[in-house]
Amino acid sequence: DTAVSQTPKYLVTQMGNDKSIKCEQNLGHDTMYWYKQDSKKFLKIMFSYNNKELIINETVPNRFSPKSPDKAHLNLHINSLELGDSAVYFCASSYAGTGELFFGEGSRLTVL
Amino acid sequence: GENVEQHPSTLSVQEGDSAVIKCTYSDSASNYFPWYKQELGKGPQLIIDIRSNVGEKKDQRIAVTLNKTAKHFSLHITETQPEDSAVYFCAASGNDYKLSFGAGTTVTVRA
Repeated sequence: DTAVSQTPKYLVTQMGNDKSIKCEQNLGHDTMYWYKQDSKKFLKIMFSYNNKELIINETVPNRFSPKSPDKAHLNLHINSLELGDSAVYFCASSYAGTGELFFGEGSRLTVL
Repeated sequence: GENVEQHPSTLSVQEGDSAVIKCTYSDSASNYFPWYKQELGKGPQLIIDIRSNVGEKKDQRIAVTLNKTAKHFSLHITETQPEDSAVYFCAASGNDYKLSFGAGTTVTVRA
């Protein structure tokens, strides 16, 4: 059983399109995150939700909109995709107050 | 916000030798310092962490040291094996567990 699963694993799309990435965790964690990893491998937090409530919202264009329908799911919708959005997006989860993050395998987004 | 610097960016070692990766952080309020290993095509995975009330922690072939005064911490891998080849990230956070990651170190273990 995959602990943190995200779909799709690969996404290739044209500039200007809208796309979504879905994430689900079966670990019973109460906190979920989206991280962006650029071509230089740099990992940067984008959003964090605790029990469906947004608690971290870094400086991210408002074209990016996270949605958490319940504490086991955190989806990421991106509007009007730009070339610079090409990256690997990682979903992660944790128990609040413990520190250890469990990452999914990543969703590689390529914008042409 | 927290700024974490990590060195070196790449590290090549002979199998059996030791590897050391060093990180510095800027925020004196940071008190949690994890290390993550990322294998090709996978997400990062926690390998060891240390909290500010501890100076050193060891788990089999890996160890982490923390110097709070100097605001730096290091990862030591002894008796390296080919499966240790990966990208390693240090990170730091305070009580909010909002992790700031270093830029990563690509470790290659030569057989």
